[in-house]
Amino acid sequence: QKEVEQNSGPLSVPEGAIASLNCTYSDRGSQSFFWYRQYSGKSPELIMFIYSNGDKEDGRFTAQLNKASQYVSLLIRDSQPSDSATYLCAANTGTASKLTFGTGTRLQVTL
Amino acid sequence: NAGVMQNPRHLVRRRGQEARLRCSPMKGHSHVYWYRQLPEEGLKFMVYLQKENIIDESGMPKERFSAEFPKEGPSILRIQQVVRGDSAAYFCASSPPWGEYEQYFGPGTRLTVT
Repeated sequence: QKEVEQNSGPLSVPEGAIASLNCTYSDRGSQSFFWYRQYSGKSPELIMFIYSNGDKEDGRFTAQLNKASQYVSLLIRDSQPSDSATYLCAANTGTASKLTFGTGTRLQVTL
Repeated sequence: NAGVMQNPRHLVRRRGQEARLRCSPMKGHSHVYWYRQLPEEGLKFMVYLQKENIIDESGMPKERFSAEFPKEGPSILRIQQVVRGDSAAYFCASSPPWGEYEQYFGPGTRLTVT
């Protein structure tokens, strides 16, 4: 069983729409969750992290965490073609420790 | 403020040679992590180091791979006697020693074994 699971996509949304990316995790010891964006051939870029239940907003991005359901999501409002990338969900135990990554969801924002 | 630095960016080695990958963490970061991304696969943790200490090497292959983070200088990931299956992108990340320990990634080293 994969520890962090994501739908591989592609998820296709029109420009200006809300993109919703989802992630589930199996290890109840996971405490902190991270969303990275990775363009093809490039390195992962940290977008947001969340460790408390509820929502956390940063500009066009909102991360949501539900520890009871072991579910993390990332909403991207007003999606732009430049948001087209693979989005990686990752978890750790809340201390300085390794990140466990999902396989990523490929997002395509269409004109 | 420089980010995580890795070199070389691209490395070509013939089978049986050694590969040395270097990583300098962000200023103020004392924790270094190495990950490997095989073509069309996800990122896999390899090793976590602090200065002069290996904290977690649970993701390192048992043979041919080693890592260090000396008191002075960059962290080094060393692969001896490379094989074709070692061809991948190797990413280094660093984190601050406080807070959520969020990790910031370097540009990666793309290793090709011919």
